[in-house]
Amino acid sequence: AQSVTQLDSQVPVFEEAPVELRCNYSSSVSVYLFWYVQYPNQGLQLLLKYLSGSTLVKGINGFEAEFNKSQTSFHLRKPSVHISDTAEYFCAVSEVKGNKLVFGAGTILRVKS
Amino acid sequence: GAGVSQSPSNKVTEKGKDVELRCDPISGHTALYWYRQRLGQGLEFLIYFQGNSAPDKSGLPSDRFSAERTGESVSTLTIQRTQQEDSAVYLCASSLWGRETQYFGPGTRLLVL
Repeated sequence: AQSVTQLDSQVPVFEEAPVELRCNYSSSVSVYLFWYVQYPNQGLQLLLKYLSGSTLVKGINGFEAEFNKSQTSFHLRKPSVHISDTAEYFCAVSEVKGNKLVFGAGTILRVKS
Repeated sequence: GAGVSQSPSNKVTEKGKDVELRCDPISGHTALYWYRQRLGQGLEFLIYFQGNSAPDKSGLPSDRFSAERTGESVSTLTIQRTQQEDSAVYLCASSLWGRETQYFGPGTRLLVL
């Protein structure tokens, strides 16, 4: 079975500052890794995903994440955040041959002006 | 094109009543998933459909929960004799067969009084 730990429940940051949202996972098999974003009163939107290949993946809205197999991490980064990035971010994994997503508890990113 | 749709968007019910939640997946998506998001928590997997069969029901929390799907189309999640702990946002997602990316609907917010 897989599990996902998002180490920070809330991350406050000032506008134009860099941010990193941390995600660690555990699994006995290979996994796919995802970051989803949930804006206030909206559904989940895929931000980016890692399937294979290059460990640095780029997503929408200037976000990127790096897969680190040895540390079983998939941290999300953005070099300069905007007020509009205020949302809840979820890290998720699925087995390569499986289907369901296993989610972390989420990290609320609050961008302040 | 049209995304995943869910109805109703909000549902308030009394404890002990039955409720039905509906999900319309993206056309052509053979895989359909139900998740639950309780307040302040991540998403919990409930059930997965491939076509109209459900190879993974492992997340259904009790026998009060059931789901069905008509062909590769609409799915209904039914909760019988609702309890206050069933209050949550119920999210539906769909994907193409064999593909890893799930597309989420806006959810149904269920409140059991």
